[in-house]
Amino acid sequence: KQEVTQIPAALSVPEGENLVLNCSFTDSAIYNLQWFRQDPGKGLTSLLLIQSSQREQTSGRLNASLDKSSGRSTLYIAASQPGDSATYLCAVRGGSRLTFGEGTQLTVNP
Amino acid sequence: DVKVTQSSRYLVKRTGEKVFLECVQDMDHENMFWYRQDPGLGLRLIYFSYDVKMKEKGDIPEGYSVSREKKERFSLILESASTNQTSMYLCASRRPGTNYGYTFGSGTRLTVV
Repeated sequence: KQEVTQIPAALSVPEGENLVLNCSFTDSAIYNLQWFRQDPGKGLTSLLLIQSSQREQTSGRLNASLDKSSGRSTLYIAASQPGDSATYLCAVRGGSRLTFGEGTQLTVNP
Repeated sequence: DVKVTQSSRYLVKRTGEKVFLECVQDMDHENMFWYRQDPGLGLRLIYFSYDVKMKEKGDIPEGYSVSREKKERFSLILESASTNQTSMYLCASRRPGTNYGYTFGSGTRLTVV
């Protein structure tokens, strides 16, 4: 059974810092990995989708990497802003299932 | 952009009521999903549907049923609501095949009193 772990569970940084969120998974037989953002009381917004054959994807200040063999992904956020404050979830797709981590709650302080 | 719309942001229902949560997507996606999200338990799959009239049980189907009469609409039904079904409910859709990601709706916060 796939298990997804996100570290740290919470992170507080000053505005302007570059930061890295970590995601690890136990079964490397995946189709793809998706990073989501969730604001309090809201739904999930897709940030980046990385296919199993890819090493990284970039969108604006976000860069996600994937090392399938070691079961790891990172989400890099450059020049963080208070508006980046949210919970970030990684989800791994294998077979018919999408397995989520518990999320990292990010607070960017002005 | 694909849009997944959940008809209600907040719902308050009484124990024993029959509750319908509606989800509509506008990009002709075959696959649709219902999750619930609870603190400490994360997102858990309730039911999913590969196409019209098709449904599959997820990890926690007890107390729920679903309906998929049209491709764009996937309804979650709580036959007799109970307080332990108080939760955030999230609908998602995606194209079939291994290359596609999921698109989620904005969620429905259901409180059963």
